[in-house]
Parts: sequence; structure tokens; C-alpha cells
Amino acid sequence: SQTIHQWPATLVQPVGSPLSLECTVEGTSNPNLYWYRQAAGRGLQLLFYSVGIGQISSEVPQNLSASRPQDRQFILSSKKLLLSDSGFYLCAWSVGTGFLHYGYTFGSGTRLTVV
Amino acid sequence: TQLLEQSPQFLSIQEGENLTVYCNSSSVFSSLQWYRQEPGEGPVLLVTVVTGGEVKKLKRLTFQFGDARKDSSLHITAAQTGDTGLYLCAGVSGGSNYKLTFGKGTLLTVNP
Repeated sequence: SQTIHQWPATLVQPVGSPLSLECTVEGTSNPNLYWYRQAAGRGLQLLFYSVGIGQISSEVPQNLSASRPQDRQFILSSKKLLLSDSGFYLCAWSVGTGFLHYGYTFGSGTRLTVV
Repeated sequence: TQLLEQSPQFLSIQEGENLTVYCNSSSVFSSLQWYRQEPGEGPVLLVTVVTGGEVKKLKRLTFQFGDARKDSSLHITAAQTGDTGLYLCAGVSGGSNYKLTFGKGTLLTVNP
């Protein structure tokens, strides 16, 4: 069965510090991978998505970056965190496109607080 | 940018009541999905609808996709406290086959 692992679950970081959040998927090959941020427990904002190794599409200009060094590994990074980077970060994977989009499977999320 | 408007934003009801939440857009979607999210967790997929007019049932939950594939509704019969959570709709549109556009959600509280 497919599983998705996301860590850490919670993180408190000072302003200006670096960030690295990791997400790995098991039990599937060549998944589409996504990073979302959710503010105040409401809508999800797509940050990055990847349809293959080394392929990253950015949705929102910001001081965050993403990388996909392996087929089932997706990393969200920042060199210098801002207060506005605080939020709930979710990794997700999917297969299929368009009519055959079978939905996302989300990780359990990382609560990031920048202080 | 395709937008999904969900209504109501907040809903508080008593256990045993019925409810309907809505997801509307001016855009056509290839497919539409509903998720439920509990505090501190990632959203969990409930259902995917693909065909205009499609109705799917999941125990006490009934999902309908509009004929024109622009809107959807979720009806819960005899709500239980375990139904409490954030209900999100999300759609795949023709211009972005890989990405889902999410609504802002309906926060449902079912009181005992």
C-alpha cells in the first residue's frame, strides 16, 4: 500500500534561520508531488509541484524553494525564514491527470512557527 | 485562475440534523473531489466525481456533481459528532491537469 511520510510534525524556528522539510512516498512510482501551505486552518495554497525527478514548478514567488532529488522524495527549503512563513505545510502525492486524477494523498503536515 | 467558492464558511448543528454544503465555480472542472480535514491533520479524500450529474453515496454522505461540471454539493444525513471537521472541495481544470484548485472550506461543528 502507498504511504506518505512528512516530518517533522512541529517546528519552531527563529527569523532568518534556514528550513528543510522532507516528504517521502512509498509504494508508488513516478508520483506527482506537491507542497501546500494552509493558513488559519482554511484554504490550501499550492507552493510547488513536481511531475518528475528534478522537475519543479513554482506557483507563488517567495523565499521558499523545492527540490526532488529522488523519485519519491520532495524537499521544501528556505535559506532565511520570515515571520510570514509560519503556517501548516502539507505534502501530497497523486497519480493520473485530468479526468483520471485520482485525488491527493496528504501527509500529516508540519506546523511551522517562525519567531 | 479558477476559483471554487464554498458555502457556508461555518456551520454549527446538533447531532441528528441534516445539512448540505455547496461548492460553486464559474469554471468547468474535469473532476471534482471532496476532502475532510481534522485539526492538525492533512485532508483525507472522501470522493471523486467526474461525470456531470453524477451522484455518489458514502454511508450518510451524498455527493453530487452539477450537470455542467461547475458545482457540487455534499449532503450529510443525521449528522454525528464524528462528522465534525473542515470540508474542502477541489477541482481539476483543463488547463492544469496535475493540480487541484481548492475552495476555502466549510468548517462543520456537530454538537452532541
